[in-house]
Amino acid sequence: DAGITQSPRHKVTETGTPVTLRCHQTENHRYMYWYRQDPGHGLRLIHYSYGVKDTDKGEVSDGYSVSRSKTEDFLLTLESATSSQTSVYFCAISESQVKETQYFGPGTRLLVL
Amino acid sequence: GQQLNQSPQSMFIQEGEDVSMNCTSSSIFNTWLWYKQDPGEGPVLLIALYKAGELTSNGRLTAQFGITRKDSFLNISASIPSDVGIYFCAAENYGGSQGNLIFGKGTKLSVKP
Repeated sequence: DAGITQSPRHKVTETGTPVTLRCHQTENHRYMYWYRQDPGHGLRLIHYSYGVKDTDKGEVSDGYSVSRSKTEDFLLTLESATSSQTSVYFCAISESQVKETQYFGPGTRLLVL
Repeated sequence: GQQLNQSPQSMFIQEGEDVSMNCTSSSIFNTWLWYKQDPGEGPVLLIALYKAGELTSNGRLTAQFGITRKDSFLNISASIPSDVGIYFCAAENYGGSQGNLIFGKGTKLSVKP
């Protein structure tokens, strides 16, 4: 299994509070991704990173920001959590842009009350 | 935008049965991936396909990259109880920007009561 951990694994928070989710990898892969998974929508890309300090938006980036100060860590921040951001969040990593194969972390289950 | 249509949405299996599922799109892709997700865990990569017409096996699993590059199928032979879970197809056209992996909505495999 790819060395990917996510923390926390579960979180309950209140509307309006800031939340930061962490993804940590031990594979030294260049590319890292944040997805959310919701019933009826499958996996949707929030943001991704193609190197330290290099990030870009995905399909559903509104309300989220990311940072990558080290190769191994990719942080996802909800500046002011809303109930619509209740979801399961997955981090993924990949080594190459060509013939892309992404490996997923175990997920963070977030409930915004 | 690009979409993957995965079918069936769900199916029931009896131990020993063969299972087929597929993913279609109106867009052309260069990579097709198949993942399996167990409850409470992240998707795990099963098979990666990089060439039109390619047929690849992983144990009892066989997947094919459609010759038109618009579809892919996954077969599971002689199913066993641990095959239950959600299977996702994913596809990428790496002529676009990194982070361009899109997912089907999944096929949920359950055991016949």
